[in-house]
Amino acid sequence: AQSVTQLDSQVPVFEEAPVELRCNYSSSVSVYLFWYVQYPNQGLQLLLKYLSGSTLVKGINGFEAEFNKSQTSFHLRKPSVHISDTAEYFCALLIQGAQKLVFGQGTRLTINP
Amino acid sequence: NAGVTQTPKFQVLKTGQSMTLQCAQDMNHEYMSWYRQDPGMGLRLIHYSVGAGITDQGEVPNGYNVSRSTTEDFPLRLLSAAPSQTSVYFCASSYDGQPSYEQYFGPGTRLTVT
Repeated sequence: AQSVTQLDSQVPVFEEAPVELRCNYSSSVSVYLFWYVQYPNQGLQLLLKYLSGSTLVKGINGFEAEFNKSQTSFHLRKPSVHISDTAEYFCALLIQGAQKLVFGQGTRLTINP
Repeated sequence: NAGVTQTPKFQVLKTGQSMTLQCAQDMNHEYMSWYRQDPGMGLRLIHYSVGAGITDQGEVPNGYNVSRSTTEDFPLRLLSAAPSQTSVYFCASSYDGQPSYEQYFGPGTRLTVT
């Protein structure tokens, strides 16, 4: 069975500091991986996705993630965060054929001035 | 395009009441899904549909029914509400296949069962 584990439930950082949100996955088949962001009281918005090809993927708002097949990881990074990045971030894995997403538990990113 | 719309935004029910959460999309997507979001648990799949007339169960289907009579609409029915169904519910839709595989989410319905 496929699963996604986000290793940190909360990550506090100072403004303009770098941040890494960690995501590990488990799957016996090829995967598509996603990071979604949820701003307070809003729905989910796609940040970036890995389907194939280059293992370093760039998304919106300066975020990027690296797919590491040997370590079954898909960590999200940003070199310098802004107050507006305060949100909950979800890593997700796509089960092919049925378009069913399996989500991690979420990581709440809080930015301190 | 309005994208994915959900109604109502908020709802309070008493235990045992029934209701339907509405979801509609105007992007002609084949796939539609319902998720519930609970603190510390991420989003969990309730039911999904791969096209009109076809539905299947997800991870947490008990207490919920769905039907898909049209491509656009995918309502979620709570038959007899329980406090354990207090949650935020999200509807999502997507194309099948490349290039995107992106799921588009509605704004959510916050449900409280007392």
